[in-house]
Amino acid sequence: DVKVTQSSRYLVKRTGEKVFLECVQDMDHENMFWYRQDPGLGLRLIYFSYDVKMKEKGDIPEGYSVSREKKERFSLILESASTNQTSMYLCASSPSVRTEAFFGQGTRLTVV
Amino acid sequence: ELKVEQNPLFLSMQEGKNYTIYCNYSTTSDRLYWYRQDPGKSLESLFVLLSNGAVKQEGRLMASLDTKARLSTLHITAAVHDLSATYFCAVDDNNNDMRFGAGTRLTVKP
Repeated sequence: DVKVTQSSRYLVKRTGEKVFLECVQDMDHENMFWYRQDPGLGLRLIYFSYDVKMKEKGDIPEGYSVSREKKERFSLILESASTNQTSMYLCASSPSVRTEAFFGQGTRLTVV
Repeated sequence: ELKVEQNPLFLSMQEGKNYTIYCNYSTTSDRLYWYRQDPGKSLESLFVLLSNGAVKQEGRLMASLDTKARLSTLHITAAVHDLSATYFCAVDDNNNDMRFGAGTRLTVKP
């Protein structure tokens, strides 16, 4: 089975802190994604990566950056956390373009 | 820009009843996905629909795709409590990305 693992289930951070969310997949997938999920808004794409060191902005990249130094790992970085970044963050991976994605368990981030 | 609309957003139904969730999207696409999310859990893939007229069924759930109408449906037959979850459709935007609907929160009552 494909496994996508996010480093934390719950995080509480203070406004202005730099926050790292880590995601690791074990199936050698090319593509990795970061979404945030908010009630009534579904999932919104923050960034995705289709190869090591490659990244593309999604719909809501402002306030976020990403890093993909190794194929299996995709990190989401909040440079200076703000309260409006309180959300559920979901990482996903897929083997190639235009295929179904496999999701991690999510990280619920609260910024106070 | 591709937009995906699901309706209804909330659905409360009795066990044993049938109902349909609708997913409309705004631009041409030939791939659509349905996911299920249980409370506090992540998304689980249910169906991948790859062409016009595609129909897939698993248990009490059946999904179909009409690319000409830009519409997918998820039909629930004889609902049971275990189907209570949030269901998302996602549409491939032909650009290495999926766009998700807002989700339909389904509650099945005894």
